[in-house]
Amino acid sequence: EAGVAQSPRYKIIEKRQSVAFWCNPISGHATLYWYQQILGQGPKLLIQFQNNGVVDDSQLPKDRFSAERLKGVDSTLKIQPAKLEDSAVYLCASSLGREGEKLFFGSGTQLSVL
Amino acid sequence: QKEVEQNSGPLSVPEGAIASLNCTYSDRGSQSFFWYRQYSGKSPELIMFIYSNGDKEDGRFTAQLNKASQYVSLLIRDSQPSDSATYLCAVTGTGFQKLVFGTGTRLLVSP
Repeated sequence: EAGVAQSPRYKIIEKRQSVAFWCNPISGHATLYWYQQILGQGPKLLIQFQNNGVVDDSQLPKDRFSAERLKGVDSTLKIQPAKLEDSAVYLCASSLGREGEKLFFGSGTQLSVL
Repeated sequence: QKEVEQNSGPLSVPEGAIASLNCTYSDRGSQSFFWYRQYSGKSPELIMFIYSNGDKEDGRFTAQLNKASQYVSLLIRDSQPSDSATYLCAVTGTGFQKLVFGTGTRLLVSP
């Protein structure tokens, strides 16, 4: 079974530029998550999709971050404009969507904002 | 108060010893509890989950849950150098399956 795919693996940009990350979840997984993990911290949930609907985006900085899940499968996360404090690893995860279900993570995108 | 709290460590144990990792959570309505292992530069990997009070064993790992005390722990028996990693405690909060992570405890197992 293929895992969660993410790209790119690394990205370096200057502040005020824009960047986009892509995620393809495990086939059949209804729930997709984007987490931000700053060095030395635990992952922080940015947004959670159930199929193509948003169920939690309370911690997404909506003035600069946006996310969509196309047709309930692939997802993109965009940052525009980026700030220095956005430097982090952006993790995509998916799950079947049942209560208490286990999450499977992709390899992440390491973003450096200079 | 943080939703999920862990001691950042590092927790140092010799090879063959028992490593004990602890986690407390603030939401009494939490139903599901997970332990993820994260090697440096890698993404989190699920190693244990527990839903009911008591102990749950899987190989060298034992998860312990005490909902009354809002406490969950992970014991690693016969610790190996390959167990050296950061261990993240994660708890479902209120709402639809929202999973909240602690900051993680770094474990170092010395040969």
